[in-house]
Amino acid sequence: GAGVSQSPSNKVTEKGKDVELRCDPISGHTALYWYRQSLGQGLEFLIYFQGNSAPDKSGLPSDRFSAERTGGSVSTLTIQRTQQEDSAVYLCASSSGREAFFGQGTRLTVV
Amino acid sequence: AQSVTQLGSHVSVSEGALVLLRCNYSSSVPPYLFWYVQYPNQGLQLLLKYTSAATLVKGINGFEAEFKKSETSFHLTKPSAHMSDAAEYFCAVSEKGSSASKIIFGSGTRLSIRP
Repeated sequence: GAGVSQSPSNKVTEKGKDVELRCDPISGHTALYWYRQSLGQGLEFLIYFQGNSAPDKSGLPSDRFSAERTGGSVSTLTIQRTQQEDSAVYLCASSSGREAFFGQGTRLTVV
Repeated sequence: AQSVTQLGSHVSVSEGALVLLRCNYSSSVPPYLFWYVQYPNQGLQLLLKYTSAATLVKGINGFEAEFKKSETSFHLTKPSAHMSDAAEYFCAVSEKGSSASKIIFGSGTRLSIRP
């Protein structure tokens, strides 16, 4: 596609439920990032995929968070047993080695 | 290891005044440097980038930034602020010559414009 695509754009879920957020990167981009942005806050790094290398998971806040990238393309961020503090905008970005291109994000609301 | 520091989480200027957003970086190898802008309720978009030769980089909407190796800085400027410039600005760094280098973002600076 022309840009990074994220789905859904908005997600409302009940506390304790699991959610999956999807990211379709720009075709051919080997690097993929997930960030979290809470209301009025900066970017919180979550996880980084680069080619076939082991992902950098150093930013995942707890073991309730996981992500995978299938076939070096689409990525899914999964949050298990969601908590109210998980409410935020989740941003995905992809890169071919220079600048990163961002999707519009998924706004997650946990009620 | 790379890092980037943005001085000032919030900057407020009057319309028509100079905008100066500060960014200092740390990198053990020559860096790529970027400024991104995030308008309210939108994603991040690239404002400008430094990747090699020209140390003064011009971006969209009249913004520019100068790479100063001796000061390890990449400050963002605009001669005359406009109300539409109100946004969050992020500085970022990655390692030149390495396709495997992770892009590191600063904590962001919120720019407010006073009428």
